[in-house]
Amino acid sequence: ILNVEQSPQSLHVQEGDSTNFTCSFPSSNFYALHWYRWETAKSPEALFVMTLNGDEKKKGRISATLNTKEGYSYLYIKGSQPEDSATYLCAPYNTDKLIFGTGTRLQVFP
Amino acid sequence: GAVVSQHPSWVICKSGTSVKIECRSLDFQATTMFWYRQFPKQSLMLMATSNEGSKATYEQGVEKDKFLINHASLTLSTLTVTSAHPEDSSFYICSAPISGRAMDTQYFGPGTRLTVL
Repeated sequence: ILNVEQSPQSLHVQEGDSTNFTCSFPSSNFYALHWYRWETAKSPEALFVMTLNGDEKKKGRISATLNTKEGYSYLYIKGSQPEDSATYLCAPYNTDKLIFGTGTRLQVFP
Repeated sequence: GAVVSQHPSWVICKSGTSVKIECRSLDFQATTMFWYRQFPKQSLMLMATSNEGSKATYEQGVEKDKFLINHASLTLSTLTVTSAHPEDSSFYICSAPISGRAMDTQYFGPGTRLTVL
């Protein structure tokens, strides 16, 4: 079973703080890396699908980078807002399926 | 954006009964849907790939006779947990890609919490 690790497991920040978290995954047989935001009682929502080493993607205040050679991706949130509170999941596509990490749970306090 | 619904959102049943969970793509056709299961403090684990008009593909360790999948139309896949037992209590969630490919953006349902007494 491929190991996908996300750190930290949980994070509490103040409104306005910037934050980042990490997704580590096996670099062999890499094809794509997905990031999803999952708010409580809602459906996971796609943020990014990244495929190229060195790729950087941005969506509003959220951005992500990808290093396929060393097997990691960073997700950054600039100026966190309470509505950013959610669990952020990463999932590399490997061996014909998405392999999900356990997620980073972010709570942003006003 | 693409919307996937799931029904019911929660269900409680007695041990030995069967439970059916529906996953619908509301505004796109889904030739492929994916069923995941999540136990507490664990990650989403792929159970099976549901293919419209053909048999589902099950992941290693998932009993196909226990978790029956039917994908009879381009907008509906169903997961039936047969003869449910307490160890089947879990969170079940489906996803579907517009492209039909697992490596592309997935659109998830909101999930179903199953509790077996």
